[in-house]
Amino acid sequence: GAVVSQHPSRVICKSGTSVKIECRSLDFQATTMFWYRQFPKQSLMLMATSNEGSKATYEQGVEKDKFLINHASLTLSTLTVTSAHPEDSSFYICSAREVRGRPGETQYFGPGTRLLVL
Amino acid sequence: QKEVEQDPGPLSVPEGAIVSLNCTYSNSAFQYFMWYRQYSRKGPELLMYTYSSGNKEDGRFTAQVDKSSKYISLFIRDSQPSDSATYLCAMSATTGNQFYFGTGTSLTVIP
Repeated sequence: GAVVSQHPSRVICKSGTSVKIECRSLDFQATTMFWYRQFPKQSLMLMATSNEGSKATYEQGVEKDKFLINHASLTLSTLTVTSAHPEDSSFYICSAREVRGRPGETQYFGPGTRLLVL
Repeated sequence: QKEVEQDPGPLSVPEGAIVSLNCTYSNSAFQYFMWYRQYSRKGPELLMYTYSSGNKEDGRFTAQVDKSSKYISLFIRDSQPSDSATYLCAMSATTGNQFYFGTGTSLTVIP
C-alpha cells in the first residue's frame, strides 16, 4: 500500500512554544489530507480537512488560529500547534487521500506524532 | 446518538480462536465501510474495505456489511498473538470524504 510519513514521531516542548508536524505522501499525490487527534484509549477525532492550494476546513470546536494547517503541495501538509499548552498533549495522526481514488481504499494514515507539552 | 457505535472491549481470546468484532451505525447514507488495525502508539493500518452490502474475505479476515440492519462485522479466523491490537471501524458516505470512526475494540490474543 501507499506510504504516508510524519515527522517528528515524538516531540516534547515547553508551554507557550509552537510545534510543526509534517505529513508527507511518499509515493502518491494527495489532493486531500486529514488531521486527526487521538487521546489514550479513545478513537480518532477529525480536526480538519486540507485541500492542496486552499484553506483548511476545521471541525466544530477546533481553533483554527491555534492549529494552523498548510497544504502547500500534493505531497505535503503541515500542522502547526501555536502557543502549545499541556492540554494540547496528544497523538496527532494525518491521513492522505490518493487522487482519483474511492474514499475507503485510498486513504492512508501516517504513523502519528506524539506531542507532550510540559 | 453517535454516528458509529463500537464496543471498546477489551476482548481477550486464546490463540486460534475466531474473533468477531462489530459496529453499528445510524446514518443510512454510509456506503463505504473500513476496518483498521492500530498497534499501540502507531497510526491505523487499513485491513479491509467494503463498498455497500456484502462479504469480503482476505486471508484470515472476513468483513461483512448488512446495510438493512446498519451493522458491520470483522471476523478473524485462527487468531494469532500478532493480531493483538485495537480494531477501528470507519465509514463514509458517497459524497464527501469525512470518515466516521468507532471508538475501537482492544483485542488481546493469548498464546
